[in-house]
Amino acid sequence: NAGVTQTPKFRVLKTGQSMTLLCAQDMNHEYMYWYRQDPGMGLRLIHYSVGEGTTAKGEVPDGYNVSRLKKQNFLLGLESAAPSQTSVYFCASSYVGVTTEAFFGQGTRLTVV
Amino acid sequence: GENVEQHPSTLSVQEGDSAVIKCTYSDSASNYFPWYKQELGKRPQLIIDIRSNVGEKKDQRIAVTLNKTAKHFSLHITETQPEDSAVYFCAASMRRDDKIIFGKGTRLHILP
Repeated sequence: NAGVTQTPKFRVLKTGQSMTLLCAQDMNHEYMYWYRQDPGMGLRLIHYSVGEGTTAKGEVPDGYNVSRLKKQNFLLGLESAAPSQTSVYFCASSYVGVTTEAFFGQGTRLTVV
Repeated sequence: GENVEQHPSTLSVQEGDSAVIKCTYSDSASNYFPWYKQELGKRPQLIIDIRSNVGEKKDQRIAVTLNKTAKHFSLHITETQPEDSAVYFCAASMRRDDKIIFGKGTRLHILP
């Protein structure tokens, strides 16, 4: 039982390049989230999904897109990376919604140069 | 939307002493308040949570209190140990909003 797995763990991008971060969970969770973590800023919600085929904007959605084509996967895309998107990205999932425990992936450290 | 404020940003306590971290939230409809611990280089993990129909919850050395009227909740760690050194995040959420909003975190240092 792997829980929540993020791919890749580390990545360096040049400004303007694109990439996709993959989050996979094997717990049959309905809700999935993408957060970014920056020093002194805590965990800020980028986008989230309440079920297969649904997505919604969080606190800081600009510059990111997401897709939830399969229940177990939640993809985060950067179409044109900017240095301001240098951060650690965490995916999380929860079973019945926001009033139960969220399980986090191991994080992806992204550097945009 | 919901806003969660967390204080202090950094806290140093002597091993064996108690540590208290405080959070306030803005939306009175929030009804679930989890606390996560993040060790260096690791993922956040839930350590304790409390729901709005409960005023206090305890799990061994860790306790959380909730004051709905004042819209604040606190994490209490007693008899602190070196392994308690980490960043702690509070959060608030409600069913109607589908979001978990986190505070900015508190870095706790346990001094020998």
